[in-house]
Amino acid sequence: EVQLLESGGGLVQPGGSLRLSCAASGFTFSSYVMTWVRQSPGKGLEWVSGISVSGGMTYYADSVKGRFTISRDNSKNTLDLQMNSLRAEDTAVYYCAKGSGSYYKTPLDSWGQGVLVTVSS
Amino acid sequence: QSVLTQPPSASGTPGQRVTISCSGSSSNIGSNTVNWYQQFPGTAPKLLIYSNNQRPSGVPDRFSGSKSGTSASLAISGLQSEDEADYYCAAWDDSLNGVLFGGGTKLPVL
Repeated sequence: EVQLLESGGGLVQPGGSLRLSCAASGFTFSSYVMTWVRQSPGKGLEWVSGISVSGGMTYYADSVKGRFTISRDNSKNTLDLQMNSLRAEDTAVYYCAKGSGSYYKTPLDSWGQGVLVTVSS
Repeated sequence: QSVLTQPPSASGTPGQRVTISCSGSSSNIGSNTVNWYQQFPGTAPKLLIYSNNQRPSGVPDRFSGSKSGTSASLAISGLQSEDEADYYCAAWDDSLNGVLFGGGTKLPVL
């Protein structure tokens, strides 16, 4: 059974940093594209970032480009999201999601339970 | 502001057929496949339809998807109370080099 467990969320001041992690199990982690998707309170889904199976290719939404960095460790089956220069509008539940294959346009077939990030002074 | 446009709400009664539309452009729906996600309050989204019209294992055949040009649709036939949820379309956008989600459609079952 695929399991994705996010951690690292919490309250941070504007301009601060936070690092989210996603521990994956139940599948061959190194064979699948991984992504982060967020959802602001009461709002819709917003794709944040994606990473190729090797980690060599990364993709970012314009809203986070230059501030967020996605990375993966295939030896530890973990996906990370380093978030810097955080803004109030980054407040959201952040989901780790697994692609259904190795192609970067793959649909997201498994999701974690999400972790809340609150940016406020 | 979502580039994929969905109606904010739709409604139906048990047994009815409901359709939810998703409108995009040539850089997203027009050149890539569409996926649909179902989300219940307080829970993570779930993949409902992929590659325009394919159902993952376990998704009832009451759910179907279609795509034509730069638009897509999700249809739910034989609506059931447990279908009450939010529905999101999504597609890769070649201009943005990322995934676009629609704004979501809330579906109450009256």
